[in-house]
Amino acid sequence: GQNIDQPTEMTATEGAIVQINCTYQTSGFNGLFWYQQHAGEAPTFLSYNVLDGLEEKGRFSSFLSRSKGYSYLLLKELQMKDSASYLCAVMDSNYQLIWGAGTKLIIKP
Amino acid sequence: GAVVSQHPSWVICKSGTSVKIECRSLDFQATTMFWYRQFPKQSLMLMATSNEGSKATYEQGVEKDKFLINHASLTLSTLTVTSAHPEDSSFYICSAKNEIAGVLEEQYFGPGTRLTVT
Repeated sequence: GQNIDQPTEMTATEGAIVQINCTYQTSGFNGLFWYQQHAGEAPTFLSYNVLDGLEEKGRFSSFLSRSKGYSYLLLKELQMKDSASYLCAVMDSNYQLIWGAGTKLIIKP
Repeated sequence: GAVVSQHPSWVICKSGTSVKIECRSLDFQATTMFWYRQFPKQSLMLMATSNEGSKATYEQGVEKDKFLINHASLTLSTLTVTSAHPEDSSFYICSAKNEIAGVLEEQYFGPGTRLTVT
């Protein structure tokens, strides 16, 4: 079966750095997405990785290792507004998105 | 960037009635739209894939006669929850793919519709 695993909840301090991990087992791979979702709102796109390596975009970076079925989202200089759920999703061989359950990130002052 | 809108943003209806939710791509044409449902503290669950001009493809376990999907144009897909019951109360989110010349792009999400069935 297809499976996406990510921690349920993480806590970090304002100004610090946090890494949210995602491991996956899917039938085929056509890229991995990270989305941010604030409570009661729809997800918003953060990043897309299809090749191994690190993609940096401002305070957010995303890493992918296809051989390990592993990705992480790195958030630097945390701000209170970063408190949200972070969803990892993998596009399988049928170009269908398989979603993780999301990681709720709590930022403390 | 690509914008997807949904209407209504929230709706309360009585058990047994039907509710229609609209999903529009505002600045691009979407040949494919997706309908998701999300229960509190759970991940997105794909309900169906809506293709312009053809029948929707439903995921296993989703009743196509209960959740009617119509993708009448390249910018509009509708989801109708028929004979709604309290267990249908959920957050319904649509998304659209903007594929240009075969290049794969990420899905753009609508703001979601919160449905409460009393």
